[in-house]
Amino acid sequence: DAKTTQPTSMDCAEGRAANLPCNHSTISGNEYVYWYRQIHSQGPQYIIHGLKNNETNEMASLIITEDRKSSTLILPHATLRDTAVYYCIALYSGGYQKVTFGIGTKLQVIP
Amino acid sequence: GAVVSQHPSRVICKSGTSVKIECRSLDFQATTMFWYRQFPKQSLMLMATSNEGSKATYEQGVEKDKFLINHASLTLSTLTVTSAHPEDSSFYICSARGLAEYEQYFGPGTRLTVT
Repeated sequence: DAKTTQPTSMDCAEGRAANLPCNHSTISGNEYVYWYRQIHSQGPQYIIHGLKNNETNEMASLIITEDRKSSTLILPHATLRDTAVYYCIALYSGGYQKVTFGIGTKLQVIP
Repeated sequence: GAVVSQHPSRVICKSGTSVKIECRSLDFQATTMFWYRQFPKQSLMLMATSNEGSKATYEQGVEKDKFLINHASLTLSTLTVTSAHPEDSSFYICSARGLAEYEQYFGPGTRLTVT
């Protein structure tokens, strides 16, 4: 799986958009970009994933650059409950795969 | 979405005893389940992959005789920490994948404290 790099921590004001970047310059053509988050003392939660097109769901939007070397997770209106560690992971489509977590980005939403 | 449960949510045991943690997929069948361990202020570390009806595959450095995994049905995997010691105190999390799913669904975790 391709290695991803994320900032260690970020702050965001409540109600504003939180933009979390992820670099995955070695991603291969059939690797998806997945985002999970982990709120303190809970199990990780799936947020969104995409291959090359931008994706949106009820939780977030995922913007992937045209060269696929980086992506941005956007939480449009951050709330205090969005304070969590966010993980960006590159995974092959289909078949057997293990989700392995890096350090992630600790997002602190500030009142 | 799919739900994965874990039981117990918290357990305290004495050093030298064994503890069993259950992971269940509640509304889907999971051919593959994963077990993770997370120490305070650290990321999740994959311990092993559990496939229904076959032996688990352990990650490097994880003692298979200490962390016994059984995946006897498509909805249940168990992790038994044998002869637990204080250094085994950790947050244990399982996840499950279905046949046609790309996403993994994670359980809420089990906090193990060994005294």
